[in-house]
Amino acid sequence: DTEVTQTPKHLVMGMTNKKSLKCEQHMGHRAMYWYKQKAKKPPELMFVYSYEKLSINESVPSRFSPECPNSSLLNLHLHALQPEDSALYLCASSQMGAGTDTQYFGPGTRLTVL
Amino acid sequence: QKEVEQDPGPLSVPEGAIVSLNCTYSNSAFQYFMWYRQYSRKGPELLMYTYSSGNKEDGRFTAQVDKSSKYISLFIRDSQPSDSATYLCAMISRDNFNKFYFGSGTKLNVKP
Repeated sequence: DTEVTQTPKHLVMGMTNKKSLKCEQHMGHRAMYWYKQKAKKPPELMFVYSYEKLSINESVPSRFSPECPNSSLLNLHLHALQPEDSALYLCASSQMGAGTDTQYFGPGTRLTVL
Repeated sequence: QKEVEQDPGPLSVPEGAIVSLNCTYSNSAFQYFMWYRQYSRKGPELLMYTYSSGNKEDGRFTAQVDKSSKYISLFIRDSQPSDSATYLCAMISRDNFNKFYFGSGTKLNVKP
């Protein structure tokens, strides 16, 4: 099973709303990632969690707040977003071993900020 | 200069054609090379994963790595309309296994 699941599939929110994106994997992977992808662009890395600890934050604004409650779950809390934050948000996971760090992506959450 | 360069296309071919997709890179620390396929409004799906220079084959797909030229390719034989998607190359540096470097993606259209 190489499945990464993400909920919701679509989300529309206003600039004053608070919402959360969820990601889950049951492959025993110890690294999990959040990416943002705008139309016709490659995914851009936002955060990396290694062994449930935040190891990379690619200078993401504080209105995006990641959380890793356990090794299988990854959340992205959203607050006071801007319309330019509208994008596909992708979660990925990888095993965390030399030569085996291929990332498996979820289907993404399509976020629209009004 | 971007670390990974990929022709964005679009590339349009007739059904049954052999497709060649390519990426070049500048960082000699890149050691692991992946190809992802991404359908419209979906997450990227891993197609191939290679480490060493040479060829790796999986069904209609062949991934080729030439580390001396810093050039990787994905060949698709007997292309099908269902292959129509954006193809992204991605690379990992031996210095940081957590960070992927993506190409910009090549949009492929296979016409019936």
